[in-house]
Amino acid sequence: AQSVTQLDSQVPVFEEAPVELRCNYSSSVSVYLFWYVQYPNQGLQLLLKYLSGSTLVKGINGFEAEFNKSQTSFHLRKPSVHISDTAEYFCAVRNQGGSEKLVFGKGTKLTVNP
Amino acid sequence: GAGVSQSPSNKVTEKGKDVELRCDPISGHTALYWYRQSLGQGLEFLIYFQGNSAPDKSGLPSDRFSAERTGGSVSTLTIQRTQQEDSAVYLCASSRSGTNTGELFFGEGSRLTVL
Repeated sequence: AQSVTQLDSQVPVFEEAPVELRCNYSSSVSVYLFWYVQYPNQGLQLLLKYLSGSTLVKGINGFEAEFNKSQTSFHLRKPSVHISDTAEYFCAVRNQGGSEKLVFGKGTKLTVNP
Repeated sequence: GAGVSQSPSNKVTEKGKDVELRCDPISGHTALYWYRQSLGQGLEFLIYFQGNSAPDKSGLPSDRFSAERTGGSVSTLTIQRTQQEDSAVYLCASSRSGTNTGELFFGEGSRLTVL
């Protein structure tokens, strides 16, 4: 069965600083990878996804992530964060083929301080 | 409607009572998912439906939990004899199955508090 580990439960940063949120996954088959974001008091929404092709994927709000198959990682990055990026970020994995179940990590709470 | 709709948004119940949570997915979405979100635990998968059948219900924590979907649309999650550890936000999501994009559209959740 697939699983996801988000290594940091909380990440505090200052505005305009770069940030990296780490995600590692485990699966016996090829996977699709996703990052979802949950802003305070809102539902989850898709930030970006990796299905195939280029390992560097770009999402909304200036975020990007890089798929590294050898390290089974899919870290999320942004070169310069804003106060409005304060949210909880969830990495998720789904096996290619088979069940359509999407398995989420426990989330990383990003807090951007002025 | 335009998005996934869940009701009630908040439910407070006493230990031992049964509760029903409802999810109305986006029109035309054939796949429907239930997750549970607890503080510090992230999103815990409960069950997913493809049409009216549930190919994967491996995440239901006990036989007190059940879910059904009728008409390929509305789904109900039922928790019998609620316990305090059932307190959480229950999230529903839907997707256009078969596209393999994996994008789930989430509702805003039903917050359950068991006293």
